[in-house]
Amino acid sequence: GESVGLHLPTLSVQEGDNSIINCAYSNSASDYFIWYKQESGKGPQFIIDIRSNMDKRQGQRVTVLLNKTVKHLSLQIAATQPGDSAVYFCAENIRVRDDKIIFGKGTRLHILP
Amino acid sequence: GAVVSQHPSWVICKSGTSVKIECRSLDFQATTMFWYRQFPKQSLMLMATSNEGSKATYEQGVEKDKFLINHASLTLSTLTVTSAHPEDSSFYICSARPGQRGYGYTFGSGTRLTVV
Repeated sequence: GESVGLHLPTLSVQEGDNSIINCAYSNSASDYFIWYKQESGKGPQFIIDIRSNMDKRQGQRVTVLLNKTVKHLSLQIAATQPGDSAVYFCAENIRVRDDKIIFGKGTRLHILP
Repeated sequence: GAVVSQHPSWVICKSGTSVKIECRSLDFQATTMFWYRQFPKQSLMLMATSNEGSKATYEQGVEKDKFLINHASLTLSTLTVTSAHPEDSSFYICSARPGQRGYGYTFGSGTRLTVV
């Protein structure tokens, strides 16, 4: 299930199940979106990206869905593994404006054995 | 692949002293680098954009005189936290973009700063 903690919401998923992590982005002008995975004490690690001219993109075990109408992104992880335990952030960029990547709030993914 | 190296990985300093953090792009040139700060259980907050050969651009609310940024070469940006105080204790992370705008950003491994 999903719960909201003091700062980061946590999603608990059974090992082997699929995970869906959601993100609401802030700026309707954003045209480039990235999902990052951050393990404790480390920098963010690139997972997958998508540009605004697409609504779906697939990688290895991961899929990103983009709904521009409601400014919503989701990251789907298939067959969740213990190594997927981390905090996941969506990030947005307005390419025509600048290079800045702005991060969303993040979701902690907890894998249940 | 593109690698960004950050040094040191952790540092402890006394209140009132200054600390320098280095961010290097190892296998690509970066005219622009970014500095973020992250408090426990929170997201990354962009502090400033570091521009090679020119002044850094700071986000609203970030003190430019306290967080000095120097980007003297295409592979190195430094962040100096001056007159550090315990409230400056945080995880500082840099990033750079290896290619053209809108294609992937690589992050360093972060620096844990503790001010005592």
